[in-house]
Amino acid sequence: EAQVTQNPRYLITVTGKKLTVTCSQNMNHEYMSWYRQDPGLGLRQIYYSMNVEVTDKGDVPEGYKVSRKEKRNFPLILESPSPNQTSLYFCASSSPISPGANVLTFGAGSRLTVL
Amino acid sequence: DAKTTQPPSMDCAEGRAANLPCNHSTISGNEYVYWYRQIHSQGPQYIIHGLKNNETNEMASLIITEDRKSSTLILPHATLRDTAVYYCIVRVGTGANSKLTFGKGITLSVRP
Repeated sequence: EAQVTQNPRYLITVTGKKLTVTCSQNMNHEYMSWYRQDPGLGLRQIYYSMNVEVTDKGDVPEGYKVSRKEKRNFPLILESPSPNQTSLYFCASSSPISPGANVLTFGAGSRLTVL
Repeated sequence: DAKTTQPPSMDCAEGRAANLPCNHSTISGNEYVYWYRQIHSQGPQYIIHGLKNNETNEMASLIITEDRKSSTLILPHATLRDTAVYYCIVRVGTGANSKLTFGKGITLSVRP
């Protein structure tokens, strides 16, 4: 089944303890992206990657790192998590389905709580 | 990518058509209009997209005005399961994946 898989789905951690949220897609998509979602703020883009070894900042990149060493994986790294990074995180990927169009496929989400 | 404006919420009766508006007055000629929806806290789900012509699929219809400055997503027979947040976004097509802003969307409530 074509899908984007995120892990963990739920995590409670403490301030300053490094963590990684993994994202993997099995559709050979070039483009991958991370979003966070907070009440009243909608979906905000953290980082995106247009292909292997190519990453760029979204709207809210502070406090996050990413890497794209393989096409299928795009991990989100929180080097020193803080309570304001408590959020629901989504990974997404896309590839053209027809000339000129790109449709995003989202993962199920990772709910992170930083105490 | 052009910015979109959606009302924060709307409701409709079950079985009736739900017409969700979106303004994108600064849209460029090569930008597509996409609609996604998010049920509860699940990952957003693609619904439909279009460039100039009206489009229809098994989920919905998309009506784009002739000047392309606004569009309407139509759910022809809304059900309770269509209660969700609907996002209208515009973006350039192939080869120009980049920043992609979803905004807050419109919350559709389908009442029995």
